[in-house]
Amino acid sequence: DAGVTQSPTHLIKTRGQHVTLRCSPISGHKSVSWYQQVLGQGPQFIFQYYEKEERGRGNFPDRFSARQFPNYSSELNVNALLLGDSALYLCASSLDGPSEAFFGQGTRLTVV
Amino acid sequence: AQSVTQLGSHVSVSEGALVLLRCNYSSSVPPYLFWYVQYPNQGLQLLLKYTTGATLVKGINGFEAEFKKSETSFHLTKPSAHMSDAAEYFCAVEESNFGNEKLTFGTGTRLTIIP
Repeated sequence: DAGVTQSPTHLIKTRGQHVTLRCSPISGHKSVSWYQQVLGQGPQFIFQYYEKEERGRGNFPDRFSARQFPNYSSELNVNALLLGDSALYLCASSLDGPSEAFFGQGTRLTVV
Repeated sequence: AQSVTQLGSHVSVSEGALVLLRCNYSSSVPPYLFWYVQYPNQGLQLLLKYTTGATLVKGINGFEAEFKKSETSFHLTKPSAHMSDAAEYFCAVEESNFGNEKLTFGTGTRLTIIP
């Protein structure tokens, strides 16, 4: 069975641009969470979606948004990119909540 | 809000020696606690977790951790380090608030194994 898949694996964007990151959860998992991991830090919670509804939001600006589709895949969107948005973005899926969360390999975003 | 403190951002041990990575948490309710491992340019892999029941938890790759409520600790140990254990380790606590379940991570401990 495939694990959590994220795309793209790497990308480089210019300040002010917009970016969309994608995540496909493990089959049967209805919850998807997004985390930002800045170099040298632990992951920071951005969003959790369950059954296509936003269940939680971390302390991130409104430039960050997300959604979950009927097939439970998810997109994370970031507008007006800043240099400080450069990070590894991790997606995690679970049946319900993080107690059984499985993480993808992440998307490495570099903003120049 | 809950928080996690990992003492020691870098730990070095000799191959075959005991591995001890420290984690303390703050929580007003019984927590769910986790240890994850991250290899370079990889995502996070769950090593072990504590939810309820037995306070000594065994995980993958020979790791184990003990939940000590009185010390608010959840230290990770392995009796004999292997070269393949070199990685970044993160302790995390689950925070559940009105259906919003999120993991709060520590800042990580980089484990180096000396041949």
